[in-house]
Order: sequence, then C-alpha cells, then structure tokens
Amino acid sequence: DAGITQSPRHKVTETGTPVTLRCHQTENHRYMYWYRQDPGHGLRLIHYSYGVKDTDKGEVSDGYSVSRSKTEDFLLTLESATSSQTSVYFCAISVTEETQYFGPGTRLLVL
Amino acid sequence: RKEVEQDPGPFNVPEGATVAFNCTYSNSASQSFFWYRQDCRKEPKLLMSVYSSGNEDGRFTAQLNRASQYISLLIRDSKLSDSATYLCGISSGSARQLTFGSGTQLTVLP
Repeated sequence: DAGITQSPRHKVTETGTPVTLRCHQTENHRYMYWYRQDPGHGLRLIHYSYGVKDTDKGEVSDGYSVSRSKTEDFLLTLESATSSQTSVYFCAISVTEETQYFGPGTRLLVL
Repeated sequence: RKEVEQDPGPFNVPEGATVAFNCTYSNSASQSFFWYRQDCRKEPKLLMSVYSSGNEDGRFTAQLNRASQYISLLIRDSKLSDSATYLCGISSGSARQLTFGSGTQLTVLP
C-alpha cells in the first residue's frame, strides 16, 4: 500500500460540465502522474508533476488541466467534459527511480 | 510506430506451463524498465523492475536487452492466480514518467 487515494472512485457527468478528480498521497513524494486507461490504448500519460506548482503535459493532455498546490494533492480537471473522456483515470506516484505505484482509479462516465 | 509495443495475446496456457512475454521499445534513451500486473477492474501493481543483468523473483524472471531494445518476462510453473494482464512500462523522461505497452492478457487454465 503506497498511501495513494483517489476521489471520487466513480462519477457520472454530462457533456460540457467541468469535473475535478483528486489524488492524495500520504508520503510527500515529489513525482505524481495522471494516466487514463482505455481498451486498445493501454495507459496513457495525461499530465505529471515534479513538485509543488511544477507540472507538465503528457501524451494526451488536450482538454485536461492539473494543479498541485500542496505536495500531497494532485488535481486533474476536465474543463468541459466530452464523451471521449469517458475512461478510467489512475493517479500514480514515483517512490524511487525503480518504483512507481498506482492509486485505485476513478471510473468516469460522460453522458 | 508505437513507442512501446506488446503482443496483446490472449495467451491461454495450462497450469504448470512456462510462458514468456516480450515488450519492445523504440527510444534508445530509455532508462528504467518495469513489469506490472493488472487484474480486472483494478489498478496496475508493480511486479518487478527490470535490470540489465536480469532479475528473478520466485517463478518470475525479467530480462532487458538494450541492443535489441526489448524486455521480457518469463513465468514458470504457471498458477491459476497468474491470470491477469501484464503491462510493460518504460521510463525515458527526467520526471520518471512511464510509457506503457497496451498489455498482454494471460489466462492460466486448470
């Protein structure tokens, strides 16, 4: 257990609404990541953070923004949700160069 | 061409069999290599890191071939509980961000 929680765990929302997903860690690790997982595409990196207020884009960042105002929290916002953003979202932390752990995931359905 | 590629399977093998998965990568500057296991509707769990010298953990052996740019995972004496999707993850960024293959599905049959 790497001390990662995600909230909410499940969410149904409507197209055009903003949605914020939260990732919380208990151990003050520097690096945090948001991935999405879709059938046929595997896990794809959305955004990542290498410290408080330090974030960067990943492979599939369009339509998403992130914020990290505290070490322990990394927020992912869908500015205006679309059906193509229906997915499972995983947060991850890097504990060492050789260990990266995932949170339990958030299942998002955009209608 | 995808940066990281895996055979999606499915691999259906009998209990006790030996099965091997490969994962190829295109970025020669890749630094760290991992195998993850993911059960249905769960998060990926780190199975093992992969080192140039190869490493073993019980029935699992991982190897890295930098010259040919692939990593492999060998599972010996397969158990029913090994049924899962196996993902390779490869890091080539300064922030340790991973690029994943799409996963290989393994089913071990009684």
